[in-house]
Amino acid sequence: DTAVSQTPKYLVTQMGNDKSIKCEQNLGHDTMYWYKQDSKKFLKIMFSYNNKELIINETVPNRFSPKSPDKAHLNLHINSLELGDSAVYFCASSHPEASGGVRNEQFFGPGTRLTVL
Amino acid sequence: SQQGEEDPQALSIQEGENATMNCSYKTSINNLQWYRQNSGRGLVHLILIRSNEREKHSGRLRVTLDTSKKSSSLLITASRAADTASYFCATDAWGGSEKLVFGKGTKLTVNP
Repeated sequence: DTAVSQTPKYLVTQMGNDKSIKCEQNLGHDTMYWYKQDSKKFLKIMFSYNNKELIINETVPNRFSPKSPDKAHLNLHINSLELGDSAVYFCASSHPEASGGVRNEQFFGPGTRLTVL
Repeated sequence: SQQGEEDPQALSIQEGENATMNCSYKTSINNLQWYRQNSGRGLVHLILIRSNEREKHSGRLRVTLDTSKKSSSLLITASRAADTASYFCATDAWGGSEKLVFGKGTKLTVNP
């Protein structure tokens, strides 16, 4: 079974449309993330949620709205899509912070390739 | 600004050779992690080295960390064609929020 899953795998849409990407993890992790990977493979964090609460928002345009209905799900809704939104979007999850303040690895989903025409 | 910078950007070797990739970063860290990404796939965690560790091994992987130079290296020994992928370092900043900052990656090609 896939630990972190995303749907859809591919998304092709027109400029101005609204679309959603869904993410689910079955690892029992408390923290989930959304990353954007551009055409040059640069991976940058967008959002992080811990137990359904937003803890990181990396100055992402407010056309992007994450929603976490429960700690196993973190969906990404994008309004008024623009050409520059074309990228691969990755969801990830991680264990809660370990004792001593040392954090652990993140588990990534397979990615959603978004193409805005 | 970007925390991790890997070099080289691309590396091409023959099967059986060793591959070394380097990563430099700018601020104090909790830990540094290496990930692998096969073409068209998600990232897979390879190894994590904590700020108080200097070297770590996992199978054919060896990671070193020099906090005084703010740098790390990933060595893959006896490479195989299946090791062909992009490799990213990611840093978890000390005292920061729970996020990883990734470098641009090294694209490794292992020729059979």
